[in-house]
Amino acid sequence: DIQMTQSPSSLSASVGDRVTITCQASQDISNYLNWYQQKPGKAPKLLIYDASNLEAGVPSRFSGSGSGTDFTFTISSLQPEDIATYYCQQYDTLPPWTFGRGTKVEIK
Amino acid sequence: EVQLVESGGGLVQPGGSLRLSCAASGFTFSSYWMSWVRQAPGKGLEWVANIKQDGSEKYYVDSVKGRFTISRDNAKNSLYLQMNSLRAEDTAVYYCARHEFGDLDYWGQGTLVTVSS
Repeated sequence: DIQMTQSPSSLSASVGDRVTITCQASQDISNYLNWYQQKPGKAPKLLIYDASNLEAGVPSRFSGSGSGTDFTFTISSLQPEDIATYYCQQYDTLPPWTFGRGTKVEIK
Repeated sequence: EVQLVESGGGLVQPGGSLRLSCAASGFTFSSYWMSWVRQAPGKGLEWVANIKQDGSEKYYVDSVKGRFTISRDNAKNSLYLQMNSLRAEDTAVYYCARHEFGDLDYWGQGTLVTVSS
């Protein structure tokens, strides 16, 4: 099975800061990589699909990049409402699909 | 408006069974793959199983193979997860989610399954 190594596990940043999260796949997954946001007590929400495509209605301060095994998720200017846990997820070929272990983003 | 509403969770003893349901509305259910994803208390997300639009293909994570069965009824716009031989480590919130490819674009609110004696 493909393993996803996500880092950091948590981070603290100030409002307006640029925040970057990385995800590394254990093998080449092309661009089959999504990013989700989960707020406490809520279901996850799709933000980025196919590594770099912004889901409809998602603010443009969120972005994603990468292909192959190395991927990056960026919040260009952190806002108070962005406090959440973020997950990457791979869906290369057939299941099982796997998620990263998550990154908890807090305000400093 | 797309809606996915899970039900059927609860407290069950180890070795017991439970059937989860997911009622879909606001989209053409028969046009989408559907998945179950779970989240143990305080832990991350784990994809559990998915099923093709017509039910002809089903996939499972290794830890539930032979114990869980995913199914769907397109006439009733419903997704199911039959869970047998439940273990403590199956305790989690179970979400249903739809997808065309691998992107889980709509999720339900989840239903809690607790396996404990």
